[in-house]
Amino acid sequence: GQQVMQIPQYQHVQEGEDFTTYCNSSTTLSNIQWYKQRPGGHPVFLIQLVKSGEVKKQKRLTFQFGEAKKNSSLHITATQTTDVGTYFCAGGTGNQFYFGTGTSLTVIP
Amino acid sequence: AAGVIQSPRHLIKEKRETATLKCYPIPRHDTVYWYQQGPGQDPQFLISFYEKMQSDKGSIPDRFSAQQFSDYHSELNMSSLELGDSALYFCASSMAGPPQETQYFGPGTRLLVL
Repeated sequence: GQQVMQIPQYQHVQEGEDFTTYCNSSTTLSNIQWYKQRPGGHPVFLIQLVKSGEVKKQKRLTFQFGEAKKNSSLHITATQTTDVGTYFCAGGTGNQFYFGTGTSLTVIP
Repeated sequence: AAGVIQSPRHLIKEKRETATLKCYPIPRHDTVYWYQQGPGQDPQFLISFYEKMQSDKGSIPDRFSAQQFSDYHSELNMSSLELGDSALYFCASSMAGPPQETQYFGPGTRLLVL
């Protein structure tokens, strides 16, 4: 079956440092979406990437979709304590939709 | 802005009991997805509905069933509950059918099976 893996599983950074999470799928995705889930909360949509090689930015967040549409990355510049949470990528083909394993980010003030 | 509503927010059941979770999508959203999220795990896709018809099935156990009604709300029915069913159950809704559009998640229903 399709698998969407993310690395690292956990990341602790000092406030102000950069952070990157990588998402890899075993199959080509039609699109990829990124979500942030705070502890005790629900996944909140961040962005959707559709085109091969697409790069999108949201303030300090940069999202990239690989050329083969099988991988993606989320990069946060100069992390802040408000960035704490688990970041999930999610994508699929057809009608199936799979979440990645998530990267839990801790920001140390 | 209106969001996805789920009820109840918390539910405690005993083994072998049944439970019904409800989801009210964002107005004008016609697609509903159900997910199960265990502690420290990623959300696992269970089932989805588009225009009141089942559109896809994921890892939903045979003990569970779901449907989408004429007003687009959806219910997840869980029978013969097991301890391992304890989890957070999310409903998400989107506009237009699959392939995937942006999914907006509800706050979740936390189910505890004793």
